[in-house]
Amino acid sequence: AQSVTQPDIHITVSEGASLELRCNYSYGATPYLFWYVQSPGQGLQLLLKYFSGDTLVQGIKGFEAEFKRSQSSFNLRKPSVHWSDAAEYFCAVGAGEYGNKLVFGAGTILRVKS
Amino acid sequence: NAGVTQTPKFQVLKTGQSMTLQCAQDMNHEYMSWYRQDPGMGLRLIHYSVGAGITDQGEVPNGYNVSRSTTEDFPLRLLSAAPSQTSVYFCASSYSGGSVTYEQYFGPGTRLTVT
Repeated sequence: AQSVTQPDIHITVSEGASLELRCNYSYGATPYLFWYVQSPGQGLQLLLKYFSGDTLVQGIKGFEAEFKRSQSSFNLRKPSVHWSDAAEYFCAVGAGEYGNKLVFGAGTILRVKS
Repeated sequence: NAGVTQTPKFQVLKTGQSMTLQCAQDMNHEYMSWYRQDPGMGLRLIHYSVGAGITDQGEVPNGYNVSRSTTEDFPLRLLSAAPSQTSVYFCASSYSGGSVTYEQYFGPGTRLTVT
């Protein structure tokens, strides 16, 4: 069965510092991978996605993620964090025939220190 | 476009009561789905639909019913609410089919409390 692990429940970084959120997945075929962000009381917004091709993908708000098949990982990075990046981040793998059935990790809550 | 809309935003039910959570989208998406979000567990798929008249179960379907009579609407029914169904419910939609996977758009959520 497909699964996604986000090892860090909470992460705190200083504003301006770099950020890396970890994501490991378990999936038998080539995965469809996603990162979503959720601000308090809000719905989910897609940051970026990987389907195939270049393993380094760029997303919105200055985020990027790198797909590493050998490590079954899809870590999210940002070179300089802004206070507005404080939110909960979810990694997901797309299961099913067209990858529509999302399997989510438990999420990582990002806190930003000023 | 309004995107994906959900009503109500908040709801409190007593154990055993029934209700329907509404979801509508105006993007002509074939695929629609319902997720529930619980602390420390991420989002889990309840039911999904690949088009009008076609529905299927996800990871946690027990206690929930769905139907899809139109492309636009995908209501989620709780026939006899239980405290274990206290959660935040999200509806999502996307295009479907072909050889590509499309981005899913999420609604703002419905926060349900069952007492």
